[in-house]
Amino acid sequence: LAKTTQPISMDSYEGQEVNITCSHNNIATNDYITWYQQFPSQGPRFIIQGYKTKVTNEVASLFIPADRKSSTLSLPRVSLSDTAVYYCLVGDGEVTGGGNKLTFGTGTQLKVEL
Amino acid sequence: EAGVTQFPSHSVIEKGQTVTLRCDPISGHDNLYWYRRVMGKEIKFLLHFVKESKQDESGMPNNRFLAERTGGTYSTLKVQPAELEDSGVYFCASSRQSSGNTIYFGEGSWLTVV
Repeated sequence: LAKTTQPISMDSYEGQEVNITCSHNNIATNDYITWYQQFPSQGPRFIIQGYKTKVTNEVASLFIPADRKSSTLSLPRVSLSDTAVYYCLVGDGEVTGGGNKLTFGTGTQLKVEL
Repeated sequence: EAGVTQFPSHSVIEKGQTVTLRCDPISGHDNLYWYRRVMGKEIKFLLHFVKESKQDESGMPNNRFLAERTGGTYSTLKVQPAELEDSGVYFCASSRQSSGNTIYFGEGSWLTVV
């Protein structure tokens, strides 16, 4: 299984850029890297997904080095509402039927303060 | 486009009773997944359907859990008889059938067994 390691928690202040790094040393060739955000009492919400290099969307950027053994989620100018748990996930390499089982870790609890 | 919907959102049952959770995936998504998080633990994979077929049920905890997806549309997860340790939140997720497609989660069904 492609396991991930990320910091348990991070603190930040409103308006700052937050970078959360995740290591996934045994990522498989066909694995994608996906980040989810989860608020209490809600399901994980998709943020961004990438395979290599850099991906950017309206809410975040994802940086993936050439060896793909780590990735960094970058949240620009966070606000109080960004306080949540952020999960870094990779598929387990067994792409069956087009599906890709995800293995959740502990996630990173981001706390944004004024 | 409607997201993944789950019913009921909350359920409280007594030990020994039966509960059936329902998941409606996003229209057109052949892949359907069940995950759960029990108190204090990480989110864990339960099983994966491709259309109506069970592709991977390696995460199902025991034979008290039965998942079905008749017709390849919605899915049900039945727990019979429920035990105290089954309390937690059950997430359903879905994705299109091709590698690298994003997996979208529902808001979860919160089960309390008393």
